[in-house]
Amino acid sequence: KAGVTQTPRYLIKTRGQQVTLSCSPISGHRSVSWYQQTPGQGLQFLFEYFSETQRNKGNFPGRFSGRQFSNSRSEMNVSTLELGDSALYLCASSLVPRILATYGYTFGSGTRLTVV
Amino acid sequence: KNEVEQSPQNLTAQEGEFITINCSYSVGISALHWLQQHPGGGIVSLFMLSSGKKKHGRLIATINIQEKHSSLHITASHPRDSAVYICAVSGTNAGKSTFGDGTTLTVKP
Repeated sequence: KAGVTQTPRYLIKTRGQQVTLSCSPISGHRSVSWYQQTPGQGLQFLFEYFSETQRNKGNFPGRFSGRQFSNSRSEMNVSTLELGDSALYLCASSLVPRILATYGYTFGSGTRLTVV
Repeated sequence: KNEVEQSPQNLTAQEGEFITINCSYSVGISALHWLQQHPGGGIVSLFMLSSGKKKHGRLIATINIQEKHSSLHITASHPRDSAVYICAVSGTNAGKSTFGDGTTLTVKP
């Protein structure tokens, strides 16, 4: 079966712009979570969606937002981009939300965002 | 002090050696995950543990809930095991994940 698909793989944006990243989970997976990975901060949890509802949110400013559609695909949006937003953005999908999960989760390959 | 601490930060081994990576955490958890990240960014979930021990091929993961400690062992290490290994915990209340800084493993032929 197809894995978790993230698009685009690479993206270059200018400070002040906004960006939308997409994540298509494994078929049947209803939970999608998003993470930011930078060399300085490592992996950090952004937010998690299940059945079109945000269930958990990490400590990121309001410029970072997301949503989930009825087909479980998810998008995250970053507005007013800053240089520090340059990172690898990863999403992961699982059958159920992590807090209740008895299963693991599967990661996508990530979108590498560079803000110049 | 981070909620999740991994050691060592970097590890170099010869092919065939037995590898141990450690993870200590200070919060209540519902599960602990071991992840593998190869150059290029792709992350693979290796194990999810809430108690005891799990084995998959040459990889073994253990967790001691009382001591808040987990270990990832690799037997008969191989150069293809070279990667960053990340310990992550899922919290009990908010359900958020917290990640260790990762252990960079290099296995030389």
